[in-house]
Amino acid sequence: NAGVTQTPKFRVLKTGQSMTLLCAQDMNHEYMYWYRQDPGMGLRLIHYSVGEGTTAKGEVPDGYNVSRLKKQNFLLGLESAAPSQTSVYFCASSPADTEAFFGQGTRLTVV
Amino acid sequence: AQSVTQPDIHITVSEGASLELRCNYSYGATPYLFWYVQSPGQGLQLLLKYFSGDTLVQGIKGFEAEFKRSQSSFNLRKPSVHWSDAAEYFCAVGGEEGGTYKYIFGTGTRLKVLA
Repeated sequence: NAGVTQTPKFRVLKTGQSMTLLCAQDMNHEYMYWYRQDPGMGLRLIHYSVGEGTTAKGEVPDGYNVSRLKKQNFLLGLESAAPSQTSVYFCASSPADTEAFFGQGTRLTVV
Repeated sequence: AQSVTQPDIHITVSEGASLELRCNYSYGATPYLFWYVQSPGQGLQLLLKYFSGDTLVQGIKGFEAEFKRSQSSFNLRKPSVHWSDAAEYFCAVGGEEGGTYKYIFGTGTRLKVLA
């Protein structure tokens, strides 16, 4: 079972460039989440989705957009990358009322 | 609002010693509680979870945690630490907020194991 797969695993961007992070899950989960992980701050929720075609803002949504056109995919977009967005990004999925399942993460550096 | 506090940023123990990582939460109802472990460069792996019932839960890799409602705590324990346990540990609470199921994570405790 693949579980939750994130692509790419690493990326370096220049300030102002755009990119999309892809998250795919094969567990038919309704809920999907994007978190960012920064030293000393744990995981902070960026955006989440409660089902196909839905998205909602989390704790730190500014500078990011998301889409969930298909149930199995949840895309995170950076329209104009900033150095403050240098982080490790994690996608997770959940059927709710149980644990979240995480991808391996994407390490993004914005220079 | 839900919140999770892990008061210890770093903990160092000797191999073979016992371990306790602290976690306190704030939540209006009985939450779902989780402990995850993250090895360097890896994603988060579930160690154990508590939903209801027996307040002492067993997890993988010899870990256990005890839910204490009166103290709003869910501390993680291991009787004898192995060098391979060196990692970062996250406590999390899951539950409904505003009609949506969400997870809130603590800031993590980094465990160092001395040979």
